[in-house]
Amino acid sequence: AQSVSQHNHHVILSEAASLELGCNYSYGGTVNLFWYVQYPGQHLQLLLKYFSGDPLVKGIKGFEAEFIKSKFSFNLRKPSVQWSDTAEYFCAFNSNQAGTALIFGKGTTLSVSS
Amino acid sequence: NAGVTQTPKFQVLKTGQSMTLQCAQDMNHNSMYWYRQDPGMGLRLIYYSASEGTTDKGEVPNGYNVSRLNKREFSLRLESAAPSQTSVYFCASRGADRGPGYTFGSGTRLTVV
Repeated sequence: AQSVSQHNHHVILSEAASLELGCNYSYGGTVNLFWYVQYPGQHLQLLLKYFSGDPLVKGIKGFEAEFIKSKFSFNLRKPSVQWSDTAEYFCAFNSNQAGTALIFGKGTTLSVSS
Repeated sequence: NAGVTQTPKFQVLKTGQSMTLQCAQDMNHNSMYWYRQDPGMGLRLIYYSASEGTTDKGEVPNGYNVSRLNKREFSLRLESAAPSQTSVYFCASRGADRGPGYTFGSGTRLTVV
């Protein structure tokens, strides 16, 4: 079955610390990969996405992610987090077919202390 | 503003009551989706409609029905609400061009008492 595994349920960091959130997907074919963020009380916002090409993808707010096909991974990184990055982060993917739905991981809650 | 509109934003139901969650998009997208979000569970797919006239079950369809009324609208119905259906429901849409990805609505917070 198609699935996404996010390694960390809750991450606590101090401001200026570096961030890496792990994500692995389970699917044997071509995929599109996404990271979404949900700030407290708000709906989902797209951070970045990977469809093809350069496996290092840069998104909004200084986030980036690297697709490693051999590891079925799409980890999210940020060199220096801010208090405003406190949110829940979701990794998701879909297969490269029209109309297919996004499959989400269970999410990682990031708490950044100032 | 172009996007996905969900109504209502909040709803409280009694066990056994029925209701329909409405979703409309004005981006001429082909595909539409209903998810529910529960703490620690991420977003789970309830139903989806890959194109107008088609609907398919997702991961957690039990207790729900859907209607793809036209290309714009995709409604989710709870025939007999149960406390286990207390959740936040998100509608999403996606065009044929995968570039923009998926567009999500702002959600409906449903409480069943």
